[in-house]
Amino acid sequence: EPEVTQTPSHQVTQMGQEVILRCVPISNHLYFYWYRQILGQKVEFLVSFYNNEISEKSEIFDDQFSVERPDGSNFTLKIRSTKLEDSAMYFCASRYSGVDGYTFGSGTRLTVV
Amino acid sequence: RKEVEQDPGPFNVPEGATVAFNCTYSNSASQSFFWYRQDCRKEPKLLMSVYSSGNEDGRFTAQLNRASQYISLLIRDSKLSDSATYLCVVNTHNNAGNMLTFGGGTRLMVKP
Repeated sequence: EPEVTQTPSHQVTQMGQEVILRCVPISNHLYFYWYRQILGQKVEFLVSFYNNEISEKSEIFDDQFSVERPDGSNFTLKIRSTKLEDSAMYFCASRYSGVDGYTFGSGTRLTVV
Repeated sequence: RKEVEQDPGPFNVPEGATVAFNCTYSNSASQSFFWYRQDCRKEPKLLMSVYSSGNEDGRFTAQLNRASQYISLLIRDSKLSDSATYLCVVNTHNNAGNMLTFGGGTRLMVKP
């Protein structure tokens, strides 16, 4: 079964550092997403990406965040200057079409110290 | 008011029991509804979609009441492997596409 692959599985970074979280969506999927889940809290939408541009973003997705699909396969989330409160599990998701078709990656656990 | 609200539980039930979870959502424009399952520190996985007419998948039955903005999940003959957090998820369409809004989850623990 096709998978969404995320790397690294766990990243520890110092406050103020930049981090890039990487995702390889399923190859024929068209829509790409980042969600995050702070420990013990609900999964929250960050951003959606379609046709090489952001289609929607939440209030969480401020100027510190950016997304890119640099080479047609990878989909990255960059946090420019990490804060303690950015510590969370970050999930990438993709879908081809149809709302039933979301596939989530196994996540990257980001710990900001 | 939370967009998607669930009782966090935990629901502790013996194997073989029937258990029901409920969920309410606030956005009347929501168009698609789902139950996802999330194991500890893992990604959410789609359990089933929820249709207005109600739908069943093996031991799992989902119901939707659009008028009351209420969704339910019934699990019959609970197995140990059903222990997980069950997420009520709503999809809202807008001009930019769609996004999933998650409830906080209901934790189920099935005991031998």
